[in-house]
Amino acid sequence: AQSVTQLGSHVSVSEGALVLLRCNYSSSVPPYLFWYVQYPNQGLQLLLKYTTGATLVKGINGFEAEFKKSETSFHLTKPSAHMSDAAEYFCAVSEGFQKLVFGTGTRLLVSP
Amino acid sequence: EPEVTQTPSHQVTQMGQEVILRCVPISNHLYFYWYRQILGQKVEFLVSFYNNEISEKSEIFDDQFSVERPDGSNFTLKIRSTKLEDSAMYFCASEQVPGMNTEAFFGQGTRLTVV
Repeated sequence: AQSVTQLGSHVSVSEGALVLLRCNYSSSVPPYLFWYVQYPNQGLQLLLKYTTGATLVKGINGFEAEFKKSETSFHLTKPSAHMSDAAEYFCAVSEGFQKLVFGTGTRLLVSP
Repeated sequence: EPEVTQTPSHQVTQMGQEVILRCVPISNHLYFYWYRQILGQKVEFLVSFYNNEISEKSEIFDDQFSVERPDGSNFTLKIRSTKLEDSAMYFCASEQVPGMNTEAFFGQGTRLTVV
């Protein structure tokens, strides 16, 4: 069965600092991996996804994530945080198509 | 930009009552989903729907739940007799055809509160 672990329910950074949100997954087959962002009172928006090919994936708003099979990880990073990045971030895994299995989410707090 | 629309944004209902949560998927999408998120917990898959039938459902999706697309536009989730533990945010999503080059688009969610 698939599962996702997101370490840290809250991560606080200063504006301009590196953002690192951790995600580890478990999957019995090569996974598809996703990061979604949820701004207050809004739905889930896809930031980026990995299916096959290049393991470093670039997404919207300057975010990127690297698929590391040996570490079963798909950590999300952004070199320089912006106040507008404050949101809830969800990592998800899929064993192909359709159903997504989500992590518990990490709330990113950005201070001036 | 096309979007998935969910109504209502917030629903309060008494335990034992039936509720219907509504979703309007993106028009050319073929796959539809319901997920839920109990406060403080992870987003959980409930059901996927394609070609007017359920293609997959989770163990959460018991006989109290049903889905349908009665008029070819709205995609609804019905809970027949709500329990306190059904209180959650319910998200609808739609996808053109699941695959490497597509993504599921999510609605803003309906917050269901059972009292």
